[in-house]
Amino acid sequence: DTEVTQTPKHLVMGMTNKKSLKCEQHMGHRAMYWYKQKAKKPPELMFVYSYEKLSINESVPSRFSPECPNSSLLNLHLHALQPEDSALYLCASSQEPTGINQPQHFGDGTRLSIL
Amino acid sequence: DAKTTQPTSMDCAEGRAANLPCNHSTISGNEYVYWYRQIHSQGPQYIIHGLKNNETNEMASLIITEDRKSSTLILPHATLRDTAVYYCIAAGSGNTGKLIFGQGTTLQVKP
Repeated sequence: DTEVTQTPKHLVMGMTNKKSLKCEQHMGHRAMYWYKQKAKKPPELMFVYSYEKLSINESVPSRFSPECPNSSLLNLHLHALQPEDSALYLCASSQEPTGINQPQHFGDGTRLSIL
Repeated sequence: DAKTTQPTSMDCAEGRAANLPCNHSTISGNEYVYWYRQIHSQGPQYIIHGLKNNETNEMASLIITEDRKSSTLILPHATLRDTAVYYCIAAGSGNTGKLIFGQGTTLQVKP
C-alpha cells in the first residue's frame, strides 16, 4: 500500500480538454514532486515543491501547470495537451526538500491518454 | 548528480540471493546511493540508501565499496514478487531533492 494517493488512476482526455491530476500525502512531508514516465522509460522529474513553493521546474511546457494548495496536496492542471503527453504521471513526497538523506515515497501514478 | 551504470537485465532463481551491481564512479562525497524498484503498473518503491557504510533493512542489503565507485544491492532470498526494474541513483549534490533515474536493471526471478 502506498502512502501517497493519486487520483484518478486513469484519465482519457481530448486535446482541447482541461483536467487536473491530484496527489495527497498525510505523512507531514514538506517536499512534493511530479514525474512523468513514458512507456518502458525511467521516470523524469517535472516539478519540485518545497514548503508549498515551486522550487524546480525542469523546463516543462506551460500546458502543465502545478499547484500546491497546502502541505498535503499537490495538483497538476492540464490544458491543451498533445498526444505525446500520454504517459504515467507520478507524484512523490519526502520529509524535507533539501535533505540529501531523504527517501522519496511515490504514488502509483495516473495513467493519462490523450486522444 | 553522478551518473550510474547498471546491467540492462538479470535473472535469478527463486529462493536464491539476487545481487544487483551499480557503477557510480563519478559520485561526489556528499551524494547518497539510493535504490528503488518499480513493479509493473506501480510507482517506484524505495528500497534502501547509504553513504559510505553498508546498510541493511527488512528488504535488502546495500554494499558500497570503500572508494564508493560502485555498490551492490542484495535481495537475500528472491521471490517471484521481486521481479521488477531496479534503479540505482546517486543523489544529493546541491541539496535539491532531485532524483535522476537511469535505465535500471530488469530483474526476472524464475521458479
